[in-house]
Amino acid sequence: GQQLNQSPQSMFIQEGEDVSMNCTSSSIFNTWLWYKQDPGEGPVLLIALYKAGELTSNGRLTAQFGITRKDSFLNISASIPSDVGIYFCAGTYQGAQKLVFGQGTRLTINP
Amino acid sequence: ETGVTQSPTHLIKTRGQQVTLRCSSQSGHNTVSWYQQALGQGPQFIFQYYREEENGRGNFPPRFSGLQFPNYSSELNVNALELDDSALYLCASSLPGPSTDTQYFGPGTRLTVL
Repeated sequence: GQQLNQSPQSMFIQEGEDVSMNCTSSSIFNTWLWYKQDPGEGPVLLIALYKAGELTSNGRLTAQFGITRKDSFLNISASIPSDVGIYFCAGTYQGAQKLVFGQGTRLTINP
Repeated sequence: ETGVTQSPTHLIKTRGQQVTLRCSSQSGHNTVSWYQQALGQGPQFIFQYYREEENGRGNFPPRFSGLQFPNYSSELNVNALELDDSALYLCASSLPGPSTDTQYFGPGTRLTVL
């Protein structure tokens, strides 16, 4: 089935640093979504992208839908302690009802 | 506006038993999807319900079944539980129309099978 390759798997950064993570697919996706999940909780939607080339911001978060429709990235600027968690990319492709998820990026912030 | 809610929060069962998990969709959302998330992995799609009918299914055996009710709430039933069924079960709801791909998740039900 379809798979999303998310990188990096983990990041250890200092508070205040900027963060960048990305997701790639071998197939074209119609929608790209970015979620954050805290331990024992459900994923919380951060940003939704619907068109190739779309660049969307949500506070300190910025995400883009790649022109080829096979990739997306998420940037976090000026990280703060509450940014700690696991970030997942997810997407949908033609004819599918499901979300396909990446493996997640675990973000750890050193104060 | 109420978000997606799930019950129970935690559940412990033994191998071979049956379990029912419940989900109430976000207000106005008529599509409900269920996912299984094993520890350290991304969620895996089980199935989706739209207008009380199954509308797509992932690679899960028939002992995973579901229902959707007229008020759009949903149940996930798992029969003959196996140890590998231990996971966080997530319900997600979405709006009809062009935004149906945008799914909003509940807090999940943590199932432990002993």
